[in-house]
Amino acid sequence: DGGITQSPKYLFRKEGQNVTLSCEQNLNHDAMYWYRQDPGQGLRLIYYSQIVNDFQKGDIAEGYSVSREKKESFPLTVTSAQKNPTAFYLCASNRGTGGKTQYFGPGTRLLVL
Amino acid sequence: DAKTTQPPSMDCAEGRAANLPCNHSTISGNEYVYWYRQIHSQGPQYIIHGLKNNETNEMASLIITEDRKSSTLILPHATLRDTAVYYCIVKIQGAQKLVFGQGTRLTINP
Repeated sequence: DGGITQSPKYLFRKEGQNVTLSCEQNLNHDAMYWYRQDPGQGLRLIYYSQIVNDFQKGDIAEGYSVSREKKESFPLTVTSAQKNPTAFYLCASNRGTGGKTQYFGPGTRLLVL
Repeated sequence: DAKTTQPPSMDCAEGRAANLPCNHSTISGNEYVYWYRQIHSQGPQYIIHGLKNNETNEMASLIITEDRKSSTLILPHATLRDTAVYYCIVKIQGAQKLVFGQGTRLTINP
């Protein structure tokens, strides 16, 4: 089945440590997105990529980094510069320009120890 | 910032129609109305979208007022599995960002 996978489901980070969240899609979508969701809140855009080897900052990019070396993959690194990383992280994709619907993965919950 | 206004919570009896309102009084002529829902601790799920005509699919119906300043999502026969947070979003077709507000927490009661 086509879809978006995120791993791991839960991730624990020690203070000062960088962690990388995985997002893979086999939908042949050009565009991919990372959102952050805090308890009781809506989603906020961190980064997005419309094409391989290109990405743009969203509304809350500080303390995060991404790469887009392959069409299928869009990993997100939460760096030590992100002071409040505990959140639910969601990856999404769509066909890019003209693509109406974003499809979401199951999410990764990041907790700081 | 989100450009839509939704009630924070609603209840509906199982088997009844759930009608979720959304106000988007500043919507532009080229902005679509999208609805997503998010079941607890899962990723959001696309439900339906429309521009100005009413739309129906296997999940729901979308009724958009003639002036396009508001819309209603209708779940015709709500089940317990429809308990979720429902988000109403306005977006230009092809725009990259979905702006999520706080949505409506819909609880379906047995």
